[in-house]
Amino acid sequence: DAGVIQSPRHEVTEMGQEVTLRCKPISGHNSLFWYRQTMMRGLELLIYFNNNVPIDDSGMPEDRFSAKMPNASFSTLKIQPSEPRDSAVYFCASRSGGGTDTQYFGPGTRLTVL
Amino acid sequence: QQQVKQSPQSLIVQKGGISIINCAYENTAFDYFPWYQQFPGKGPALLIAIRPDVSEKKEGRFTISFNKSAKQFSLHIMDSQPGDSATYFCAASRNTGKLIFGQGTTLQVKP
Repeated sequence: DAGVIQSPRHEVTEMGQEVTLRCKPISGHNSLFWYRQTMMRGLELLIYFNNNVPIDDSGMPEDRFSAKMPNASFSTLKIQPSEPRDSAVYFCASRSGGGTDTQYFGPGTRLTVL
Repeated sequence: QQQVKQSPQSLIVQKGGISIINCAYENTAFDYFPWYQQFPGKGPALLIAIRPDVSEKKEGRFTISFNKSAKQFSLHIMDSQPGDSATYFCAASRNTGKLIFGQGTTLQVKP
């Protein structure tokens, strides 16, 4: 099993640019989570999907952030326009159904906004 | 009420010693308490988890102790090894919903 796949692994962009982060969950998993990790705020849940439907987006910082899951094998997190305070490591995690709680994290995307 | 408070922020232990990390929660509806381990440059990975119907769970050198009345749980790492040096996160959730993470503890095990 390839695990959760995220791309790109590193992204450096300038303030005001659009950034798109991508995630491929583990095959067969029906829940997908986007997290942001910073030194100051730790691990924060941004949004999660069950069966491709957004369930809780209360952690999305503001309208500049949006997430989509067009099918069971792909999700995107978009920031437009990006700001320096968005610099962080963004993780995607997936979880299988059937009542299990274990979330499997991807390797993360390190985003730097200059 | 959704917070999970973790301590200490950092911990240094000698090889062979016991590492102890503590977490406290407020929401009595939480029913799942995992610990995640994260190495530099990697995503967090599940280490061990417990549900509130038991007071202790052990897997190898790792043990979770759970105190429901005090709303606290802790991770004990016995015979700590340099390879255990990592950041550890406690978390809590309710009804297989979203995980609420503690702030993390950076553990350094000195050889």
